[in-house]
Amino acid sequence: KQEVTQIPAALSVPEGENLVLNCSFTDSAIYNLQWFRQDPGKGLTSLLLIQSSQREQTSGRLNASLDKSSGRSTLYIAASQPGDSATYLCAVRLNFGNEKLTFGTGTRLTIIP
Amino acid sequence: DARVTQTPRDKVTEMGQEVTMRCQPILGHNTVFWYRQTMMQGLELLAYFRNRAPLDDSGMPKDRFSAEMPDATLATLKIQPSEPRDSAVYFCASGLVRPPGQGYGYTFGSGTRLTVV
Repeated sequence: KQEVTQIPAALSVPEGENLVLNCSFTDSAIYNLQWFRQDPGKGLTSLLLIQSSQREQTSGRLNASLDKSSGRSTLYIAASQPGDSATYLCAVRLNFGNEKLTFGTGTRLTIIP
Repeated sequence: DARVTQTPRDKVTEMGQEVTMRCQPILGHNTVFWYRQTMMQGLELLAYFRNRAPLDDSGMPKDRFSAEMPDATLATLKIQPSEPRDSAVYFCASGLVRPPGQGYGYTFGSGTRLTVV
């Protein structure tokens, strides 16, 4: 059974700092991995999707990397801003025929102005 | 921007009552999902549909939950009878399947916050 872990559960950093969020998964045979952002009381916003054949994806100040063999992904946020405060979730999908996403428990990020 | 619309936004109901949650997926998306989020369990897949046909509902308690897609613009999740342990935020998401290797991202709705008292 795939298990997805995110550590730490919460993180507070001063504005302007670069930071890294971690995601690990137990079954390395994944199809893709996706990072989401969730604001309080809101739904999930997809940030980046990495296919199993890719090593990283970038969007603006965000960079996500994937190391399938070690079962790890990181989300790098450069020059953090207060607006980045949210809960960040990673989710893995096992194979093309199975649409199910297995989510991590999330990292609650607070950027201190 | 295209969005997934869920109604109602909030629902408070008494134990034993029937609850129906609705979802309007993005036009053209052929895959629709229902997820449930709780503090204890996080996000869990309840069921999903492809071209309106149910593909997997193994995450859903069959005795009280049912999910349907009466047409391509509407997905419903029904709980009958509701119980306090069903209190959670229920999310609908939609996506468009592409050939292998291209993948796709999901678009989530804002959720229905259900409280059963």
